[in-house]
Amino acid sequence: GIQVEQSPPDLILQEGANSTLRCNFSDSVNNLQWFHQNPWGQLINLFYIPSGTKQNGRLSATTVATERYSLLYISSSQTTDSGVYFCAVNQAGTALIFGKGTTLSVSS
Amino acid sequence: DAGVTQSPTHLIKTRGQQVTLRCSPKSGHDTVSWYQQALGQGPQFIFQYYEEEERQRGNFPDRFSGHQFPNYSSELNVNALLLGDSALYLCASSLFSSETQYFGPGTRLLVL
Repeated sequence: GIQVEQSPPDLILQEGANSTLRCNFSDSVNNLQWFHQNPWGQLINLFYIPSGTKQNGRLSATTVATERYSLLYISSSQTTDSGVYFCAVNQAGTALIFGKGTTLSVSS
Repeated sequence: DAGVTQSPTHLIKTRGQQVTLRCSPKSGHDTVSWYQQALGQGPQFIFQYYEEEERQRGNFPDRFSGHQFPNYSSELNVNALLLGDSALYLCASSLFSSETQYFGPGTRLLVL
């Protein structure tokens, strides 16, 4: 099956700093989603981005499908950005496969 | 527009017992998927229901079973609970024709 690797596993930032999270996947996919899991466990959809670039406020994402990676950019980080960021992929009609996540801690 | 809802939020059971978790999908969605998330890990796919049938199944024993009702809501049942079943159980809903999944807040199960 598809392998999903996320890096770095942990990231510690000061408020206001920028960061880049990476997701590598081992095969072509139809779907790639980025999620933020808050401290209560809720998975919040950030982006549906099987290819191309999208932006939503301070967050943006780029997926280069031909090279099998995606990047999540967080600018001017805030303490509320803390949590675990997951990348998940699937091929047509198959289940989502998650990476192990990047744990982000933003301190004031 | 109500999102995905799950009940209960927390549950404590003892080994050998049985448990039922419930999920109501986002309005307009017809497909429900269940995931198990152990501490420090990413969610792992259990199974998916569409048109009241199990369509796909992950690598979980048949102690894990489910059901989907005509209103698209779903239940996850786990029999003969083991300590290792302690986890966050997440429900996701989607349209069968779409890949994008939306997750509920989860049910935290602790097996003692």
